[in-house]
Amino acid sequence: VTLLEQNPRWRLVPRGQAVNLRCILKNSQYPWMSWYQQDLQKQLQWLFTLRSPGDKEVKSLPGADYLATRVTDTELRLQVANMSQGRTLYCTCSGLGGVTGQLYFGEGSKLTVL
Amino acid sequence: AQSVTQPDARVTVSEGASLQLRCKYSYSATPYLFWYVQYPRQGLQLLLKYYSGDPVVQGVNSFEAEFSKSNSSFHLQKASVHWSDSAVYFCALSPSGGSNAKLTFGKGTKLSVKS
Repeated sequence: VTLLEQNPRWRLVPRGQAVNLRCILKNSQYPWMSWYQQDLQKQLQWLFTLRSPGDKEVKSLPGADYLATRVTDTELRLQVANMSQGRTLYCTCSGLGGVTGQLYFGEGSKLTVL
Repeated sequence: AQSVTQPDARVTVSEGASLQLRCKYSYSATPYLFWYVQYPRQGLQLLLKYYSGDPVVQGVNSFEAEFSKSNSSFHLQKASVHWSDSAVYFCALSPSGGSNAKLTFGKGTKLSVKS
């Protein structure tokens, strides 16, 4: 059963252009939604965890700037800007069980810089 | 700050052979520890997790891992690998008592199984 639906799955991004990613949660039992980035060397790094509709956070990392928004209880968005190297962004969800819960991953959105 | 080290970037074994993938962590207390697997063009899937208690934990597909506090390690093992086990394996931790949403990952070990 797929808990998370990410789109787009792949995107070519012209240098200097921003891209918007979307993640839809299919099961409200896992309301803690997060974004992770995976660089070209496969290193995974946590970016954000947003719980409530209206929550927003920004972050600048080497190679990209991010703006995450929890739109609704089931939708999380990520804007990626100023990307200089390709990467894959994963949406995750986890449950109210806190530390005894499990982190579930979406299938990822792979971004390539043109 | 916590960290996870997977010293082997690539491991190659023959089908039917035993396997150990190494993971060392750095954290001031006992963390929660995880192993994830990533198949090509897919997201990560949880293999097993350790929170407390028996240091040997069983996971899916006959994988197991052993926690060692004295060695700060959480090595993954399998008695007999299959070609379908070829994938990238990640060790991860979260601080005990912290959110399970925020994990610190190692750089991964790419496993290739020769038939």
